[in-house]
This record gives sequence, C-alpha cells and structure tokens, in this order.
Amino acid sequence: DGGITQSPKYLFRKEGQNVTLSCEQNLNHDAMYWYRQDPGQGLRLIYYSQIVNDFQKGDIAEGYSVSREKKESFPLTVTSAQKNPTAFYLCASCVRGRTQPQHFGDGTRLSIL
Amino acid sequence: DQQVKQNSPSLSVQEGRISILNCDYTNSMFDYFLWYKKYPAEGPTFLISISSIKDKNEDGRFTVFLNKSAKHLSLHIVPSQPGDSAVYFCAALASMDSNYQLIWGAGTKLIIKP
Repeated sequence: DGGITQSPKYLFRKEGQNVTLSCEQNLNHDAMYWYRQDPGQGLRLIYYSQIVNDFQKGDIAEGYSVSREKKESFPLTVTSAQKNPTAFYLCASCVRGRTQPQHFGDGTRLSIL
Repeated sequence: DQQVKQNSPSLSVQEGRISILNCDYTNSMFDYFLWYKKYPAEGPTFLISISSIKDKNEDGRFTVFLNKSAKHLSLHIVPSQPGDSAVYFCAALASMDSNYQLIWGAGTKLIIKP
C-alpha cells in the first residue's frame, strides 16, 4: 500500500541534543512538507520541498533543519537551538500542483526529558 | 496574526442531525480552500475542497459553502454519524511567487452524540 511513514511515533530528547525525525513516502510525490502542531493551534509549516535537493523555510524554521537527497525521504532534524521542541510533528506529501491535497503521515510526538 | 480562524474549539451534535463547522479568513488573496479531518494520534485526512470560483462543492454527506464577500466558509455534514467525531481543520491556499503553502485554522473538535 502506498503511503507516508513517519518514525518513530514517540521520541524523547535530552536538553542540548539534536534528534532526527524520519519521513518516507512511496507515493511518488514530488512535494514534501513538515508541520508542527501544538495544542489548540493549527498546523504551522516548518520546511517544505518541491523537488529533490531543494527546500524552503516555512513560517517557523528556526531551530530546525532538513535535507532532500531522495524523492522518497525528507528527514527533519530538531536541533538544540529549538528551545521549545515539545510538539506533534507531521510530515505530508503531495503531487506537485497548487491545488493538490496533501497526504499526511501519522506523526511523531517529541517530548523533552 | 491568524489569517484562517475557526472560532469554535468544539461542537457537539446529535447523531443523524446536521453538523455545521465554520471557518473565516482575512486574506482576500486566498483562492482555494480545503477541509481536513483528524483523529487522535493520526495525521489529517483530506475531506473536501473548494475553489473561489465556486460557492458550493458537494461530496456525499459533505458540502462546503464559500461566501467570498464575507470571507467565510462552512462545512456541512448530514446526516452526522459517530465516525464523524474528529477534529476538523480548515486550510487556505496562499500563493507566493512559484511557491505556495497552506495556512491552517486551529481546528474544531466535533463530537457526535448517540
């Protein structure tokens, strides 16, 4: 079955530690996105990529980094510079085209120890 | 500054009745709107969309209405079923040069009572 796989489902980070969230898709989608969801808020865009080896910052990119070396993969690193990383992180992908609906993974919940 | 607002954090509706979820936006440049449904600990699932050239789009039990002059859209679910209990997000498409991104509302939690 085609879909988006995010791993791990739950992740704990120590102070000062970088952690990487995985996002893999086998939908052959060109565009991929990372969002952050906090309680009572909508999804906020961290980074997005519309093509391999290219990505753009979203509204809240500070403290995060990404890479897009393969079409299928778009890992997100939460660096120690992100002072409030506890949140639910969602990865999405879609066919390239502005009105194409995004398909989401089931998310990773990151917590600070 | 929230450009997409869902002012009702939650809504409770009797099974079989109509559920109406509302969404307001401030940016007149938005020209495409989407509704997503989200269950706990899962990612959102696309439900229905509407272009600004239309004022209504229907898909089975789901209908989205768009009032451009009021910058308001609504999602109607009829009849409401227990499986409709979820958080519903409204999102608007903003174009920026050759890039585009979705702007999301905070969501409305819909509870269908048996």
